[in-house]
Amino acid sequence: GAVVSQHPSWVICKSGTSVKIECRSLDFQATTMFWYRQFPKQSLMLMATSNEGSKATYEQGVEKDKFLINHASLTLSTLTVTSAHPEDSSFYICSASEANTGELFFGEGSRLTVL
Amino acid sequence: DQQVKQNSPSLSVQEGRISILNCDYTNSMFDYFLWYKKYPAEGPTFLISISSIKDKNEDGRFTVFLNKSAKHLSLHIVPSQPGDSAVYFCAASDGSGNTPLVFGKGTRLSVIA
Repeated sequence: GAVVSQHPSWVICKSGTSVKIECRSLDFQATTMFWYRQFPKQSLMLMATSNEGSKATYEQGVEKDKFLINHASLTLSTLTVTSAHPEDSSFYICSASEANTGELFFGEGSRLTVL
Repeated sequence: DQQVKQNSPSLSVQEGRISILNCDYTNSMFDYFLWYKKYPAEGPTFLISISSIKDKNEDGRFTVFLNKSAKHLSLHIVPSQPGDSAVYFCAASDGSGNTPLVFGKGTRLSVIA
């Protein structure tokens, strides 16, 4: 079945640095990718919707200058957490919507730990 | 190996009847479960959740049942409405904050008027 891969699966960084997380659709083209943030014991929070070749649409309350999203190709979207702080520590999960069918597939998540 | 399984890719139900969507899991460390609903061209939205200390959680027309011994949960929608037609994803977590949510592959529900 279709696979969505996230890289890195776990990253530890110092406060103030920027971290890039990749989301790839491995065997299908994804016109739309979604980025979520996960908190313990809580549901996912949708951060932004990313469409290939256009600017991402951010949810209310999500700082677009802090969470930079780029969807440069039909198989790759990236989330860059700029000037990361400890409160940004979380799991970030992407999902990708298959171009022809709209079927949705989830990545396995990337854990960000900011020291 | 899939840790969260939704064995029915699709389900059709008559309007007004009960919709039952099933989800099985294999990891005994999971203790928090969520259901998400997804309309075409939109991202999934949170629907309802249940902690392993409960066996039932109800919110309006939506009820989630958890059977820990069978590692099985189900989402009941009563009465089903055409607007409920969507893809429903089951997700599980160990609640520790150390592991990401694990999702099933989804079940497409069609409620027929």
